Amino acid sequence: AQTVTQSQPEMSVQEAETVTLSCTYDTSESDYYLFWYKQPPSRQMILVIRQEAYKQQNATENRFSVNFQKAAKSFSLKISDSQLGDAAMYFCAYRSDLISGGGADGLTFGKGTHLIIQP
Amino acid sequence: NAGVTQTPKFRVLKTGQSMTLLCAQDMNHEYMYWYRQDPGMGLRLIHYSVGEGTTAKGEVPDGYNVSRLKKQNFLLGLESAAPSQTSVYFCASSYGLATNEKLFFGSGTQLSVL
Repeated sequence: AQTVTQSQPEMSVQEAETVTLSCTYDTSESDYYLFWYKQPPSRQMILVIRQEAYKQQNATENRFSVNFQKAAKSFSLKISDSQLGDAAMYFCAYRSDLISGGGADGLTFGKGTHLIIQP
Repeated sequence: NAGVTQTPKFRVLKTGQSMTLLCAQDMNHEYMYWYRQDPGMGLRLIHYSVGEGTTAKGEVPDGYNVSRLKKQNFLLGLESAAPSQTSVYFCASSYGLATNEKLFFGSGTQLSVL
């Protein structure tokens, strides 16, 4: 079974600064997907960014980017130019590759990191 | 597009009462999931379904039952609610064996068992 570890229960950053959230995972698979979800106080789960394990290039979505280190099994999220609206819980998640037969059991989540934005 | 709809959004039960949470999706997804979210625990999988008429246990299935009689609906039942089942419940769905691996989430149900 895969496990996802987020070692930072809470992080704080000044508005307009950059913050990095850490995530490590454990798997014996070679093909999989990694995700970062944002959960604001509204409770809605919002997909921030995703990474396919077979891609060496790190995914980027506007101010959000990842540092994917497959050998180290590390998947950190960098938020640049932090905004007040970025304040939320952030969850790292893993999914096995569907085509190879896994992944039917959905996502495995980390315990989350609470991101606080200081004005 | 409605996406994934959960009903109800809030519910308070007394210990021993039963209830059913309904999840409906209008995206013709094959896979559907029920997760629970507890403080400091992230989201944990309760049960899931890979198609109409099929269900399977997840990480924390005890005390819950599910049914997938129609492709678009996935029901989560609590036969005898316990305080330990106080949680936020999320339904999610995704395409099946395809290249789109993204999960679509409902807005959650806050359940309190007194």
